[in-house]
Amino acid sequence: GAVVSQHPSWVICKSGTSVKIECRSLDFQATTMFWYRQFPKQSLMLMATSNEGSKATYEQGVEKDKFLINHASLTLSTLTVTSAHPEDSSFYICSGSSPGRNQPQHFGDGTRLSIL
Amino acid sequence: DAKTTQPNSMESNEEEPVHLPCNHSTISGTDYIHWYRQLPSQGPEYVIHGLTSNVNNRMASLAIAEDRKSSTLILHRATLRDAAVYYCILSRTNEKLTFGTGTRLTIIP
Repeated sequence: GAVVSQHPSWVICKSGTSVKIECRSLDFQATTMFWYRQFPKQSLMLMATSNEGSKATYEQGVEKDKFLINHASLTLSTLTVTSAHPEDSSFYICSGSSPGRNQPQHFGDGTRLSIL
Repeated sequence: DAKTTQPNSMESNEEEPVHLPCNHSTISGTDYIHWYRQLPSQGPEYVIHGLTSNVNNRMASLAIAEDRKSSTLILHRATLRDAAVYYCILSRTNEKLTFGTGTRLTIIP
């Protein structure tokens, strides 16, 4: 089946640091990628949708200047959390879907971000 | 977005079938019914999806009511590895997924 690789799987850093998370589709071309955030004991919340070669569409309440998303190729999207603070600590998950009708989303294994 | 309603939790014995229900009374004609599951500390995993007809794959079966206002995910023989949170989501082609709270499935050895 389709595989999405997310890296790193776990990161701890100091407050004020910027952190980049990579999401790669390994065996399919992901024209659309999605970024989610999940706090403990809660469900996934969509942060943004990105289409290859265009600007990301952010959900209401998500700061686009804080969560920078780049989708420069059909196999790679990145999420950069700029000037991260403890409240940004969360489980970040990406997913991709290949072109064509009725294609499911394939998810990465997530990145656990802890800001000290 | 059309909403789905699922029980918060369910239990099942190992090696027995599991039927996970989902209600979606406001489903529109173009909404697909998707099921994903999430194991602890992992990203969600695609299980199955369908539009009108029942669907089968190696993981599960999806039974869709004739009026499409409800559906049931069927795990034919539950194993301990099937313990997860199962999400029933309505989505149109390649659109974003809106996750609800899902059903936490516990498998009893």
